[in-house]
Amino acid sequence: EAGVTQFPSHSVIEKGQTVTLRCDPISGHDNLYWYRRVMGKEIKFLLHFVKESKQDESGMPNNRFLAERTGGTYSTLKVQPAELEDSGVYFCASSHDRLGGYTFGSGTRLTVV
Amino acid sequence: DAKTTQPTSMDCAEGRAANLPCNHSTISGNEYVYWYRQIHSQGPQYIIHGLKNNETNEMASLIITEDRKSSTLILPHATLRDTAVYYCIVRVKGGGADGLTFGKGTHLIIQP
Repeated sequence: EAGVTQFPSHSVIEKGQTVTLRCDPISGHDNLYWYRRVMGKEIKFLLHFVKESKQDESGMPNNRFLAERTGGTYSTLKVQPAELEDSGVYFCASSHDRLGGYTFGSGTRLTVV
Repeated sequence: DAKTTQPTSMDCAEGRAANLPCNHSTISGNEYVYWYRQIHSQGPQYIIHGLKNNETNEMASLIITEDRKSSTLILPHATLRDTAVYYCIVRVKGGGADGLTFGKGTHLIIQP
């Protein structure tokens, strides 16, 4: 089966601009998660979708971040406006249920200059 | 979720068994032990999880002590491609907070 796909793999934007990251989960996986690792820090949970509904968004850093999952398929994470501290690697993961392990994508490396 | 403690780094010779310890002395009765790893520049990869019985799959074995306060991940025949950061995570299975709490993990270096 195809894995979790993230696009783009790299993005370099200027401070104040908008960037949208996309995640295509494994087909049939209702659960979709976003995580990120900023420079020198640990991987942190951002939010969790079950189908198209946000189950838990307690990790979202502030209102500059907006995640959507229209139709319960792919998800987007928009950062608007981007700040320097948003630089890092953003990972998406999906799972069929919450019982087993998650499958992570390769991540999107975001650099805000 | 309970806190875990892992060594910062470990070395292991190629072909030998790599034994990665994890302490989770505050683990609750309904919390599972999960292991993930992150190979450089890739996304985290799920390895194995367990509650109280030892578990084995095609990647590794998980040994959990009887009191469940610690566990060991065993890679039976380590290869150079097993060099990665290994994360021990304790969480309620299918419930509680949704996010995985990644700590600093153990940087395992497989030596040729």
